[in-house]
Amino acid sequence: NAGVTQTPKFRVLKTGQSMTLLCAQDMNHEYMYWYRQDPGMGLRLIHYSVGEGTTAKGEVPDGYNVSRLKKQNFLLGLESAAPSQTSVYFCASSYSEGKNIQYFGAGTRLSVL
Amino acid sequence: GQQLNQSPQSMFIQEGEDVSMNCTSSSIFNTWLWYKQEPGEGPVLLIALYKAGELTSNGRLTAQFGITRKDSFLNISASIPSDVGIYFCAGQEETSGSRLTFGEGTQLTVNP
Repeated sequence: NAGVTQTPKFRVLKTGQSMTLLCAQDMNHEYMYWYRQDPGMGLRLIHYSVGEGTTAKGEVPDGYNVSRLKKQNFLLGLESAAPSQTSVYFCASSYSEGKNIQYFGAGTRLSVL
Repeated sequence: GQQLNQSPQSMFIQEGEDVSMNCTSSSIFNTWLWYKQEPGEGPVLLIALYKAGELTSNGRLTAQFGITRKDSFLNISASIPSDVGIYFCAGQEETSGSRLTFGEGTQLTVNP
């Protein structure tokens, strides 16, 4: 069982470059999430989706865009990368809002120089 | 926004010792989750709690949903080297939809 798969695993960008992080889940989950993890700050929600075709802002949405064109995929875009976006990015998915157990991918380590 | 205070931030213990960590929130939660993250990996769920006062075990791990619904505790008994990692609490408010709020994590080091 693949669960939640994130690509790429590592990436180095120059300031101003753009990129897209891909998250794919094979559990037929309705809900998907993008977090960033910085030292000493836990996980902070960037954007999330409650179903195919929907997106919503989380705690730290600025500088990021997302799309959920297919139920199994959730894309995170950086249009013009900044050094402050150097972080580890995690995607998660969950089946329902009620008993909201989120399952995480292995992460994407992004450095912006 | 919602604040979750997790303590301690780090622990250095000897193999065989018991460990306790906790999280407190500024508002009432209807779900508490405990995750473990190992280096280079994403968080993995350890225990889920859904009722005030609930006490749930998973092997050597035991977690409790505080009766005030504003706190939760995780205990690890007889620690072993593979318990090393970062432990996160996460909570869900009734009004937050599907969103979780995460604590800052407890870094656990176990010396053999």
